[in-house]
Amino acid sequence: DGGITQSPKYLFRKEGQNVTLSCEQNLNHDAMYWYRQDPGQGLRLIYYSQIVNDFQKGDIAEGYSVSREKKESFPLTVTSAQKNPTAFYLCASSIESHRVRTDTQYFGPGTRLTVL
Amino acid sequence: KNEVEQSPQNLTAQEGEFITINCSYSVGISALHWLQQHPGGGIVSLFMLSSGKKKHGRLIATINIQEKHSSLHITASHPRDSAVYICAVGIKAAGNKLTFGGGTRVLVKP
Repeated sequence: DGGITQSPKYLFRKEGQNVTLSCEQNLNHDAMYWYRQDPGQGLRLIYYSQIVNDFQKGDIAEGYSVSREKKESFPLTVTSAQKNPTAFYLCASSIESHRVRTDTQYFGPGTRLTVL
Repeated sequence: KNEVEQSPQNLTAQEGEFITINCSYSVGISALHWLQQHPGGGIVSLFMLSSGKKKHGRLIATINIQEKHSSLHITASHPRDSAVYICAVGIKAAGNKLTFGGGTRVLVKP
């Protein structure tokens, strides 16, 4: 089945540790995105990538890093520089990279990160 | 002030009732999206619209570009419609960046 997978669903880390969240899609989509969701707030864009080997900062990129070495994969690293990393992280993809983010986005199931 | 405002924040309905969720925005947009987020966290895209009205099953989405307002209607609501409904807009001035509303939590009681 085509879709987006994120792993793991729940992740616990100690403060000061870097952690990498996985996002894989087999939809052959060019564009991929990472969002952060906090209780009572709308989703906020962390990073996005329109094409392999290229990515751009979103609204809240500080303390995060990404890579896009393969079309189907867009991992997100939450570094120790991120002040409040505990949140729900959602990955998404869309088909048309040249139209950036107006196309329908397909979301993964999310990863809930808790930093202890 | 947020660029995308949803109302109400929470809504409780009895099964079978007609539900309306509202979304207002303050900027020029290229498209408006309605999304559904279930308790497990996964998000599904329901509609993308730039004018008029779209219908899918018991869901209807409308948009009024002049008034910068959209509504999502659920007819004959069912407990399985219980979810958070999120409005998002593609903002022209920001390279069609998607900006999200805070969501409306809907609970449909049997």
